[in-house]
Amino acid sequence: KAGVTQTPRYLIKTRGQQVTLSCSPISGHRSVSWYQQTPGQGLQFLFEYFSETQRNKGNFPGRFSGRQFSNSRSEMNVSTLELGDSALYLCASGTAANTGELFFGEGSRLTVL
Amino acid sequence: AQSVTQPDIHITVSEGASLELRCNYSYGATPYLFWYVQSPGQGLQLLLKYFSGDTLVQGIKGFEAEFKRSQSSFNLRKPSVHWSDAAEYFCAVGLGNQFYFGTGTSLTVIP
Repeated sequence: KAGVTQTPRYLIKTRGQQVTLSCSPISGHRSVSWYQQTPGQGLQFLFEYFSETQRNKGNFPGRFSGRQFSNSRSEMNVSTLELGDSALYLCASGTAANTGELFFGEGSRLTVL
Repeated sequence: AQSVTQPDIHITVSEGASLELRCNYSYGATPYLFWYVQSPGQGLQLLLKYFSGDTLVQGIKGFEAEFKRSQSSFNLRKPSVHWSDAAEYFCAVGLGNQFYFGTGTSLTVIP
């Protein structure tokens, strides 16, 4: 069974640009969560989608958005990039059950210059 | 406020020594509890989980963790550390559809 796939793995952007990150969950998983990981803040929850609906959202500005498609694949978008958005963005997929375990991808490393 | 605390930012142990990583949580009810490990440049891998039942749970790679309700703790242990265990370890709690992670403990293993 293929794991969680995130693309791209690495990317460099400049301030003011926007970026879209993609996540393909494990086959059969309908829940996709996104986390931002930085050395100073650790893992911070961005949002969680289940069957194309956002069920939970973390405390991030509106520049951070996401969506989930009918095939459970998910994208997150960050607009008007700031230096502080440089981070590892992790996607995790899960089953339909609430608070089952999460399966993580390897992440997308975003650097904002 | 809900929180997960890992009081040790960094731990160094010798190969073959025992290991205990601490985790405390602050929630009204007993949440689902997890330990994840992250190697450099990688995502997080689940080591073990506690949902209910026996408070001592076994995980992969020889790790175990003990849930203590009275102390709101879920400490991770390993009797004999291997050099390949050097990584970042995260404790997490699950409530509803959301996970909360501790800030992580970085483990260094000395040969």
